[in-house]
Amino acid sequence: GENVEQHPSTLSVQEGDSAVIKCTYSDSASNYFPWYKQELGKGPQLIIDIRSNVGEKKDQRIAVTLNKTAKHFSLHITETQPEDSAVYFCAALMGTNAGKSTFGDGTTLTVKP
Amino acid sequence: NAGVMQNPRHLVRRRGQEARLRCSPMKGHSHVYWYRQLPEEGLKFMVYLQKENIIDESGMPKERFSAEFPKEGPSILRIQQVVRGDSAAYFCASSPSPANTEAFFGQGTRLTVV
Repeated sequence: GENVEQHPSTLSVQEGDSAVIKCTYSDSASNYFPWYKQELGKGPQLIIDIRSNVGEKKDQRIAVTLNKTAKHFSLHITETQPEDSAVYFCAALMGTNAGKSTFGDGTTLTVKP
Repeated sequence: NAGVMQNPRHLVRRRGQEARLRCSPMKGHSHVYWYRQLPEEGLKFMVYLQKENIIDESGMPKERFSAEFPKEGPSILRIQQVVRGDSAAYFCASSPSPANTEAFFGQGTRLTVV
C-alpha cells in the first residue's frame, strides 16, 4: 500500500519568515495530494491540494509543489503569522475518494511573534 | 449547515469496558470514514461505510473493533474490552460521494483507557 513520509516533525519560525514542509510517497499511482491543517482540539481541515497533472498550485500565502518523478511534494507558507501555528498533515490518494487518503505523521509548526 | 458532529468529545474507559463513539455526517453526506490518531502520529484509516454497508474495513483491527452506519442515526465505532493501547483520538470524516476529493472531518473523540 501507499506510504507517506513527512519532514520535519517540528518546525519553528519567526513571524514573517517562510515555512516549508516536505513529503514523499511510495505509490506512483497516487494522483491527488491534499494538505490538512489541524488546530489544537479540532479535526483536520483541508487547506490546499494538488493533482498529479499539475506541478505547482498557489493560494495566497500557501503554495504546494509536486515532483512526480521524485515522488515528493511540499507545502510552502510565506509571511507566516502566529495563527499559522498548527499541525500540518500531507496525504496521498489514488483515485478520488478523499476518505481513503494515506496521511503523513504531521508537522507541528510554531510561528513565534 | 452543521459540520461533522462527533460525540462524546472525551471518553474515559477502564480496561475491559466497551467504548462507543458516534459520528453524524454533514447533511447530505452518505459516506463516512473513521480514522485513528495515536499521539504524535498521523491519521490511520480504519473503515469506510455507506448507509447500512461497510465498503472497506482494511484498516480495522481484526478483533474487538466494529463499525456500523445504520439507515437512521449516526455511525458508531465500537471497541469492546478496551485496552490501554486503544487510547487515541478517533476522527470521523464524511463526504457526499466517493468521487469527492474533499472529506470533512469532525473534531474527534479522545479516548483514554485507564
